[in-house]
Amino acid sequence: DIQMTQSPSTLSASIGDRVTITCRASQSISSWLAWYQQKPGKAPNLLIYDASYLESGVPSRFSGSGSGTEFTLTISSLQPDDFATYYCQQYHTLYTFGQGTKLEIK
Amino acid sequence: EVQLVQSGAEVKKPGESLKISCKASGYSFTSYWIYWVRQKPGKGLEWMGIVYPGDSDSRYSPSFQGQVTISADRSNSTAYLQWNNLKASDTAMYFCARQRTTGVFDYWGQGTLVSVSS
Repeated sequence: DIQMTQSPSTLSASIGDRVTITCRASQSISSWLAWYQQKPGKAPNLLIYDASYLESGVPSRFSGSGSGTEFTLTISSLQPDDFATYYCQQYHTLYTFGQGTKLEIK
Repeated sequence: EVQLVQSGAEVKKPGESLKISCKASGYSFTSYWIYWVRQKPGKGLEWMGIVYPGDSDSRYSPSFQGQVTISADRSNSTAYLQWNNLKASDTAMYFCARQRTTGVFDYWGQGTLVSVSS
């Protein structure tokens, strides 16, 4: 099984900050990685696919990078709507989610 | 507009059976895999299994193989997740999602909360 490890588990930041979340795969997954945002009581929302492609309708302050085993999600300037939990997901071999990163207001 | 609308919250007792649904609209139901995800209270996302409505092919995560049954009915564009013997540990929110081409889940249902308690 491919394991996905996100860091940090919790991140405190302020409006306007630039934040980065990291996701590491236990083996190479090429660029088969997606990022989702989830708010309490809601379904996840697709942000990034194929590691770096912005899903239609997602604000351009979100970006993704990486390949192989190390990936990052960056939010260039935090907005109030961005405080949520973020998950990475590999789809190289079956599917695995990371454990999530909760982005909190500092 | 693509929509996945799930059935409502359920309260069941251990040992009971349950079938929850995910009704699709706004796209060709038979052309995309539907995926089921579990989220226990306060925890992360776990993929359970997938079904291809075009031919009813279904595949399961090893963690859920034999524990649930995933199916689809082309006649009413609905996917299903079924249990025959619920346990308290099945208490969770369950989401369906549409898989786009390469394994990305682009549209999600709103979730069905299943509570199992004696």
